Amino acid sequence: SSELTQDPAVSVALGQTVRITCQGDSLRSNYASWFQQKPGQAPVLVIYGKNNRPSGIPDRFSGSSSGNTASLTITGAQAEDEADYYCNSRDSSGDHLLFGGGTKLTVL
Amino acid sequence: QVQLVESGGGVVQPGMSLRLSCATSGFSFSNYGMHWVRQAPGKGLDWVAVIWYDGTNKYYADSVKGRFIISRDNSKNTLYLQMSSLRAEDTAVYYCARERPGVRWELPDYGMDVWGQGTTVTVSS
Repeated sequence: SSELTQDPAVSVALGQTVRITCQGDSLRSNYASWFQQKPGQAPVLVIYGKNNRPSGIPDRFSGSSSGNTASLTITGAQAEDEADYYCNSRDSSGDHLLFGGGTKLTVL
Repeated sequence: QVQLVESGGGVVQPGMSLRLSCATSGFSFSNYGMHWVRQAPGKGLDWVAVIWYDGTNKYYADSVKGRFIISRDNSKNTLYLQMSSLRAEDTAVYYCARERPGVRWELPDYGMDVWGQGTTVTVSS
């Protein structure tokens, strides 16, 4: 079955830009959603569809996609952005959802 | 505001059963597909199952197919997960999540938005 692959860990200096990527065959025909999860908390949706932010999500979060890769970009990372980030999409078979393994973002 | 509150978690022995509930409020539950997602200790998110808004379609992860049953009671605004033949690897925090407003399963932008705070299931002898 399909899978989504993320780098396990990424770091960024405070105020700089970071890109978190997600690769998988399902992304050739499906958009990724991106969730932020802080320790002990439930995941929060930050990006969905082509590049949409739910109400309340800062505009420093943006999404993009090319081929089999979806990306979450944080422009001007803040200390509060330190968290685990998960991508998610429907799989190619159409009857499952997939999550990437998650990327732990450290803001230095 | 939209609220999802899971309950029913606990410690059970391998092979036993458990039923989780997700009580919802703040939105028209009967109009939304709903999901269960789990997270084992220190691990990533793992999709478990989905049920359509009217209960007519249900899909399951391969790891739980034949052991778990997702259901809903639209008159009670509540989602359920009946778990049977539990294994140690089912130990996790179980979250319920709502599908995003206006999406359809067959479209490429399908996804979830709001999640509950989770309920913990521990399978151990």
